[in-house]
Order: sequence, then C-alpha cells, then structure tokens
Amino acid sequence: ELKVEQNPLFLSMQEGKNYTIYCNYSTTSDRLYWYRQDPGKSLESLFVLLSNGAVKQEGRLMASLDTKARLSTLHITAAVHDLSATYFCAVDIRQGAQKLVFGQGTRLTINP
Amino acid sequence: SAVISQKPSRDICQRGTSLTIQCQVDSQVTMMFWYRQQPGQSLTLIATANQGSEATYESGFVIDKFPISRPNLTFSTLTVSNMSPEDSSIYLCSVKPPGSYNEQFFGPGTRLTVL
Repeated sequence: ELKVEQNPLFLSMQEGKNYTIYCNYSTTSDRLYWYRQDPGKSLESLFVLLSNGAVKQEGRLMASLDTKARLSTLHITAAVHDLSATYFCAVDIRQGAQKLVFGQGTRLTINP
Repeated sequence: SAVISQKPSRDICQRGTSLTIQCQVDSQVTMMFWYRQQPGQSLTLIATANQGSEATYESGFVIDKFPISRPNLTFSTLTVSNMSPEDSSIYLCSVKPPGSYNEQFFGPGTRLTVL
C-alpha cells in the first residue's frame, strides 16, 4: 500500500523566515502535485511536478521532485502571513486506475 | 482548469437519513472523483466515477453506503446513506480534465454534520 508522509505536520514560523516542507512516498511515481487549503475552503492546485528533477516556483514558494529518493519538497522563502494554510502533497498512482494519494497535510501558521 | 460547484454547501442531518450531494462541472470531463475529508484530516478517495461505467470504490467504501450516479460528462451525485455521526465530514468532488497527467481540480466541498 502506498504511503505518503509529510513532515512536519504542524509548522509555526515567523514572517521573513525560510522553511521547507517534506513529502516522502513509498512507491515509484514520477508525478506529484502540491495543493493549498485555506480554513473552511477547498483545495487549490499549486504545483504540478511531472519528472525527476522538476522544479517549479511561484512567488515565495518553490517545489521540487526527486523521484529516485521518492521525495518532494516545498520551500517557503521569506514567509508572509498570507501563506498561512494547510499544504498537501499528492502522489499520482498510474498503475491500473489513475488516482491520487494524499499526504496528511502540513498546517502552516506564519506569525507577524 | 475547470469550474466546479457542489450542492448543498453544508447540511445538518439526523442519524439514519440519507443525503445526496451534487457536483456540476462547467466542461465535459471523463473522470470525476469523490473524496471524504474528516475534521482536521487529509483527503481519502471514496470512489472514481466515470461516465458510462459503474463507479470504482476504494477499500473501505461500499456502494450500498455511498451510491454514486454519473449520468453525463458534467454531473455526478454521491449519496451518503443511513447516516451516523461518524459520517460527519467534508465531501469533495474533483475532476481530471482531458490531458496526459492526473492534476485534479476540486469543488468547494459539502460540509455534513450528522446528529
């Protein structure tokens, strides 16, 4: 059974600081997605990573994928309060039926 | 991306009753998915609903409890049957637009409370 584990699950940080969220998964996959969820809201797609070594950046967020290590990272640079949310990684399972398996989520709180 | 709406947005129901949740998308899509998100938890896939075929359920979910309809390429329903307080969750539908990878776009969710 595929396991997708995020670390940390909770993160409280100061504005202006840098930090990284890690997403490890237990089976072969070369596709991974990052989503953001604000409290009481649905999921918003942030990044689509489609191959080993893929790197995507949007504003203060940068995501990368290492398929050999089965690891994706979401790096936050100079955090601002507006980035407070829960972040999910999801691994694309393409053996048989296509489906996504989600990590537990990382609840990020950025304090002024 | 796709614009997805769900009805109702929230409901409070009595134990033993059933609720049908609707999901409407603004473009034709082959693959639609139903997820459950329990309070403070991640998303768990309930089933995949493809138009023209029976829904495919994940382990732990059965058709008698969560019947799904997919009458056309823009619409699906999920029914939560014979509800108990353990069914209190957010239910989300998502779609995979045509393309070679599995990025999914999510509806706003239905927040269900069972008393």
